[in-house]
Amino acid sequence: KNQVEQSPQSLIILEGKNCTLQCNYTVSPFSNLRWYKQDTGRGPVSLTIMTFSENTKSNGRYTATLDADTKQSSLHITASQLSDSASYICVVRGNSGGYQKVTFGTGTKLQVIP
Amino acid sequence: DTEVTQTPKHLVMGMTNKKSLKCEQHMGHRAMYWYKQKAKKPPELMFVYSYEKLSINESVPSRFSPECPNSSLLNLHLHALQPEDSALYLCASSPYQGSIAKNIQYFGAGTRLSVL
Repeated sequence: KNQVEQSPQSLIILEGKNCTLQCNYTVSPFSNLRWYKQDTGRGPVSLTIMTFSENTKSNGRYTATLDADTKQSSLHITASQLSDSASYICVVRGNSGGYQKVTFGTGTKLQVIP
Repeated sequence: DTEVTQTPKHLVMGMTNKKSLKCEQHMGHRAMYWYKQKAKKPPELMFVYSYEKLSINESVPSRFSPECPNSSLLNLHLHALQPEDSALYLCASSPYQGSIAKNIQYFGAGTRLSVL
């Protein structure tokens, strides 16, 4: 069964600090992995997308890593800001043909406090 | 324009009402999706439309009826809903089905539905 597990479930950090969110998946065969940021009551917004051959990808203060061998990904947030408070969702797509079906992780709720 | 627009933003309906959710995108995307998201849970896929044809129905109850009138519009018709159907309903679109690198789903802001 395809699963995507994220840790921690929730996290509180001080403004300006760094943090790392984890994503472990069992989706196979693997196609790509995306990190989304979802503000409360809003739709998810894509931060990064990584395919099998990519180990690291950055988007501003967000840096995602992927280890396809261990089926793990991380999202590192540098110099956190209050606006980073949101849920971060890891989404993995399996390479099962043309059908766009993805498996969503359970999310990490991040709260940045002043 | 990289927006997926959903209307209404909020909807309150009784169990005997009939209502519709609307989703619109003008990015030329040919795959569109409906998701249901309960509080503190990840989105759950409901339907996938590919080239205006329903390609996936994730065993959704018939009180939810999707419709894709054209390549830019996706509707979700609601009838005889239950209070447990209260949730955030998200629409998404993506450019291709088969192109792995381009398969980013763009989400709308959602419709917050409350069933009384």
